[in-house]
Amino acid sequence: DGGITQSPKYLFRKEGQNVTLSCEQNLNHDAMYWYRQDPGQGLRLIYYSQIVNDFQKGDIAEGYSVSREKKESFPLTVTSAQKNPTAFYLCASSHQGGTQYFGPGTRLTVL
Amino acid sequence: EDKVVQSPLSLVVHEGDTVTLNCSYEVTNFRSLLWYKQEKKAPTFLFMLTSSGIEKKSGRLSSILDKKELFSILNITATQTGDSAVYLCAVELRGSARQLTFGSGTQLTVLP
Repeated sequence: DGGITQSPKYLFRKEGQNVTLSCEQNLNHDAMYWYRQDPGQGLRLIYYSQIVNDFQKGDIAEGYSVSREKKESFPLTVTSAQKNPTAFYLCASSHQGGTQYFGPGTRLTVL
Repeated sequence: EDKVVQSPLSLVVHEGDTVTLNCSYEVTNFRSLLWYKQEKKAPTFLFMLTSSGIEKKSGRLSSILDKKELFSILNITATQTGDSAVYLCAVELRGSARQLTFGSGTQLTVLP
């Protein structure tokens, strides 16, 4: 099955804890992206990566970190420095110059 | 600052109605405009528009772009309850990263 997978689907964490969200794709896409979606709002770009071992900050990178050690994987860590981490997180990937396709998302709730 | 504005924010119609969703934008380095449909989870791609005045069509959905007036519309004819979703408009910027700037979406509810 080709596609983008994100895990877990739902995640609950206590305030002050770091948490890592997984994103994997087997589409052989070069570029991968992380977005955050809050209720009633559009998607905002957190980080993106165009090639392995390289990534850039998006519009709201503060309090987040990423790595891109493998082409298929682009994990996102939500650190304790992120002030309002409760949100729906979406990962996307694309060929260079291609349309972005999205994973099913992870809903993070910080208690 | 790049900006994408969608209207209306929400819309409730009955099955069989025709709806028009609007998206206006103010961005530097415009490359293309994309429409996505989001039903609770992953946004699914509908259309990419790069040229003014050329309608893109897929079944009951169609979309057109006006690069002079900086807006796009998404039309859905003969709506069905399965069309209920959030419709997202995004503008793709020029550059190798192909970043997307999203509007806040239009929540469409189609009643039986």
